Amino acid sequence: KQEVTQIPAALSVPEGENLVLNCSFTDSAIYNLQWFRQDPGKGLTSLLLIQSSQREQTSGRLNASLDKSSGRSTLYIAASQPGDSATYLCAMLGSWGKLQFGAGTQVVVTP
Amino acid sequence: GAVVSQHPSRVICKSGTSVKIECRSLDFQATTMFWYRQFPKQSLMLMATSNEGSKATYEQGVEKDKFLINHASLTLSTLTVTSAHPEDSSFYICSASFLRLRGAPSYEQYFGPGTRLTVT
Repeated sequence: KQEVTQIPAALSVPEGENLVLNCSFTDSAIYNLQWFRQDPGKGLTSLLLIQSSQREQTSGRLNASLDKSSGRSTLYIAASQPGDSATYLCAMLGSWGKLQFGAGTQVVVTP
Repeated sequence: GAVVSQHPSRVICKSGTSVKIECRSLDFQATTMFWYRQFPKQSLMLMATSNEGSKATYEQGVEKDKFLINHASLTLSTLTVTSAHPEDSSFYICSASFLRLRGAPSYEQYFGPGTRLTVT
């Protein structure tokens, strides 16, 4: 069974610093990996999707990498802003479109 | 595109009553819909997978007689929490999936905004 771990569980940084969020998984047989953002009491917003054949995806200040051999993905957020405060979830897409989620990293960016 | 709606967004009900939550894919036909629940400060836990016209597949530990799922069409799935109890209070999120063939084939999932259920 796929195990997805996110470290750290919580992170607080001053505005302007770069954020590095880590996600590790045990089974490299994945179709793709997604990073989501969740604001308190809200649903999920998809940030980046990396196909299993890709090594990274970029969107604006966000960059996500995927290393299947080591079972790791990293989400970088450059020049953090208070509006980036949220919980960030990574998820692996396995068979039949099932997503396996990590527990998330709660991020606070202080002004 | 790829918008998923849920209704209601928030519901309060009394213990022992049943509550129905709707999940709709607004601008695409979903091959599969998924139902998740999320407790405070925890991640999403998959409850069941639903394909149009067939019975839902429930994850281990999820009571199928308590959480009834109906998938009437390619754009609508409903979750009914029967005889709700306070421990059923949670955030329920649905997602809809389709197979994207552009580029490398990939199942992509789009999430609804969630339904906050409170059972008193």
